[in-house]
Amino acid sequence: DGGITQSPKYLFRKEGQNVTLSCEQNLNHDAMYWYRQDPGQGLRLIYYSQIVNDFQKGDIAEGYSVSREKKESFPLTVTSAQKNPTAFYLCASSTSGWATGELFFGEGSRLTVL
Amino acid sequence: GESVGLHLPTLSVQEGDNSIINCAYSNSASDYFIWYKQESGKGPQFIIDIRSNMDKRQGQRVTVLLNKTVKHLSLQIAATQPGDSAVYFCAEIPPNQAGTALIFGKGTTLSVSS
Repeated sequence: DGGITQSPKYLFRKEGQNVTLSCEQNLNHDAMYWYRQDPGQGLRLIYYSQIVNDFQKGDIAEGYSVSREKKESFPLTVTSAQKNPTAFYLCASSTSGWATGELFFGEGSRLTVL
Repeated sequence: GESVGLHLPTLSVQEGDNSIINCAYSNSASDYFIWYKQESGKGPQFIIDIRSNMDKRQGQRVTVLLNKTVKHLSLQIAATQPGDSAVYFCAEIPPNQAGTALIFGKGTTLSVSS
């Protein structure tokens, strides 16, 4: 089945550590996105990539980094510079050009900083 | 800041009732809107979309209404079922933002009791 796979589903981190969240899609989508979701809040855009080897900052990119070396993969690194990293992280993908505008989301990764 | 918001953070209905979830947007030039459903611990799922050249669009048990005069969007769910319990987000694409990500509202939690 086609879809988006995020891993790990749950992750615990000590303060000062970098962690990398995995996102893989087999939908052949050009565009991929990372969102952060906090309790009672909407989704806020961290980074997005419209094509391999290219990505742009979203609204809350500080303390995060990404790479897009392959079309299928868009990993997100939460660095120690991120002051409040505990959150639910969602990866999504879409076809380019907003033909439908539909985003396909993964199941999310919940990061907790101890 | 966010340009999409919701009137009520929570909505409780009885099974079989019709539900109406509302959303206000601030950018009158936005031309595309989507409703997503997010079940607990999962990623959002696309429900229905509407373009600004339409006032109404119907899906299976769901209807989206767009009132551009007052910049208001609503999602109507007919014969609400317990499985409809979730957080519902509206999202918009601001003008001239083709290829970039959606802007999400904060969400409305729908609770359906039997």
